[in-house]
Amino acid sequence: EPEVTQTPSHQVTQMGQEVILRCVPISNHLYFYWYRQILGQKVEFLVSFYNNEISEKSEIFDDQFSVERPDGSNFTLKIRSTKLEDSAMYFCAITTGGVNTEAFFGQGTRLTVV
Amino acid sequence: GIQVEQSPPDLILQEGANSTLRCNFSDSVNNLQWFHQNPWGQLINLFYIPSGTKQNGRLSATTVATERYSLLYISSSQTTDSGVYFCAVNQAGTALIFGKGTTLSVSS
Repeated sequence: EPEVTQTPSHQVTQMGQEVILRCVPISNHLYFYWYRQILGQKVEFLVSFYNNEISEKSEIFDDQFSVERPDGSNFTLKIRSTKLEDSAMYFCAITTGGVNTEAFFGQGTRLTVV
Repeated sequence: GIQVEQSPPDLILQEGANSTLRCNFSDSVNNLQWFHQNPWGQLINLFYIPSGTKQNGRLSATTVATERYSLLYISSSQTTDSGVYFCAVNQAGTALIFGKGTTLSVSS
């Protein structure tokens, strides 16, 4: 089973601050995803990233969000100006082949905006 | 977009009981996965099952793609089975879409 490591595990930030969440897939995968889960709710898709560009994004993924793979290894999600409602668990995921193959999730980053 | 409905929303069991969780989806899918979210929030892969039947220990799953549903069976439940069970599906070229989950509580 592929390993996906996320850092940090927890982050507390002031409203209006920028945060960067990181994902480090151990194996060399091409398909990456970010999801979020507001406490007590379902897991929601944010964005998928393939071959160094966004391939799909949801309505949630607005201009305050961005993704990149700056060094060919880490995969990052940036939230430019955090809001209270951005408080959630953020999951990075990878698929082992194409989009429709099995997805594996990291352990998540719990973001709290105060 | 595709809709994913899971039932029941909540389930309370005594240790040793069996249970069946259901996932209905509104359109044809290329992939279906079952996950267990543990108390630490981690999503644990249970089954990758776009069709057919699979078994892994006390857990098994069946997907009937033509009728747009999947079932997850838990036999001889244990307290460690507690948590939220999610079904997630995707269609060709799209990311996984999750249902709202079934919260399972197993008491000793």
